Amino acid sequence: AQSVTQLDSQVPVFEEAPVELRCNYSSSVSVYLFWYVQYPNQGLQLLLKYLSGSTLVKGINGFEAEFNKSQTSFHLRKPSVHISDTAEYFCAVKKGTGGFKTIFGAGTRLFVKA
Amino acid sequence: SAVISQKPSRDICQRGTSLTIQCQVDSQVTMMFWYRQQPGQSLTLIATANQGSEATYESGFVIDKFPISRPNLTFSTLTVSNMSPEDSSIYLCSVVKGDWDEQFFGPGTRLTVL
Repeated sequence: AQSVTQLDSQVPVFEEAPVELRCNYSSSVSVYLFWYVQYPNQGLQLLLKYLSGSTLVKGINGFEAEFNKSQTSFHLRKPSVHISDTAEYFCAVKKGTGGFKTIFGAGTRLFVKA
Repeated sequence: SAVISQKPSRDICQRGTSLTIQCQVDSQVTMMFWYRQQPGQSLTLIATANQGSEATYESGFVIDKFPISRPNLTFSTLTVSNMSPEDSSIYLCSVVKGDWDEQFFGPGTRLTVL
């Protein structure tokens, strides 16, 4: 079975600073990896996904993530954050083939301060 | 992409009553899911809504408590029955179209049970 661990429940950061939100997964099979963002009082929106190929994945709003198979990690990064990036971020994993259930991490609350 | 609407967007209900949440998608989808997101927590899959047959429930969730219908490929309902304050959550409808490389989420229904 797959599982996802988001290592930080909250990440406070100043505006224009870089940020990294950490995500580790465990799986005995190949996986697809996702990052979703949830703004206050809204549903989840896909930021980026890794299915195969290049391990560096670029998403919307200037975010990127790097798939590291040896460390089973999929950390999310942004070089310069804005106040509007304040939201909850969820890492998720799905079995690469034949599976249909997506497992979500506990979430990381990114709080960008002026 | 898929545009998902949910009704109601929020409700406050009395203990012991039931609430039916509707999920409407703007196009036919392969799979539909219902998730629960309790305050400050991640998403928990309740069930997969199957078109024309009984829903597939995850461990800890039962049909008597969370009956689900999916009469066609664009619509589903989730009923929260005999509610208690512990059912206070956000309930999210989610869909997958075609090949599974992205899930789309509705805006959620925020339920408060008094």
